[in-house]
Amino acid sequence: GAGVSQSPSNKVTEKGKDVELRCDPISGHTALYWYRQSLGQGLEFLIYFQGNSAPDKSGLPSDRFSAERTGGSVSTLTIQRTQQEDSAVYLCASSLGAGGLWELFFGEGSRLTVL
Amino acid sequence: AQSVTQLDSQVPVFEEAPVELRCNYSSSVSVYLFWYVQYPNQGLQLLLKYLSGSTLVESINGFEAEFNKSQTSFHLRKPSVHISDTAEYFCAVRTPGSGNTGKLIFGQGTTLQVKP
Repeated sequence: GAGVSQSPSNKVTEKGKDVELRCDPISGHTALYWYRQSLGQGLEFLIYFQGNSAPDKSGLPSDRFSAERTGGSVSTLTIQRTQQEDSAVYLCASSLGAGGLWELFFGEGSRLTVL
Repeated sequence: AQSVTQLDSQVPVFEEAPVELRCNYSSSVSVYLFWYVQYPNQGLQLLLKYLSGSTLVESINGFEAEFNKSQTSFHLRKPSVHISDTAEYFCAVRTPGSGNTGKLIFGQGTTLQVKP
């Protein structure tokens, strides 16, 4: 597609349930990022994939969070046993290459509400 | 470790007035610097960036930012704002190079509220 696509755009779930958020990056982009945007917290880095390299998971807040990227394209962020503090907008971004020079293109986000 | 500080969480300003959104970063190595804008109910868009060369960079809609290495700052300015500039603005830093250094570190954002 023309841009980064994320689904669902909105997700309401009950505390304790698992959720999956999907990101479809721009075709040909080798780098993919997940960020979390909470009210008053700015954008928090979660995880970064680049090609076939091991992902940088340094931003994942707990072991309830995990992410996969299949075939170097689509990525899924999974949150297990959701908690109310997981409520946020989860943003995905992709870039043509790794490293500082490449521009990140963001999707519109998946808004997660945990009741 | 890198970090970014945006000193103002909200900046209210009247239309046609000048504005400055402040950004300071900390890094022990050279950096690339970015400003992203998020309009209401939209995704983040790149506004402008500093990679190298001239320390003053401009966007197509009249914003400019100046990289000041000695003050580790990258403040965003516009001489005359419009209602349509109302948005949240994020400053971000990234280190040059490849691999796992490629992640972008964001500040907490500044909400620019332009009043008529």
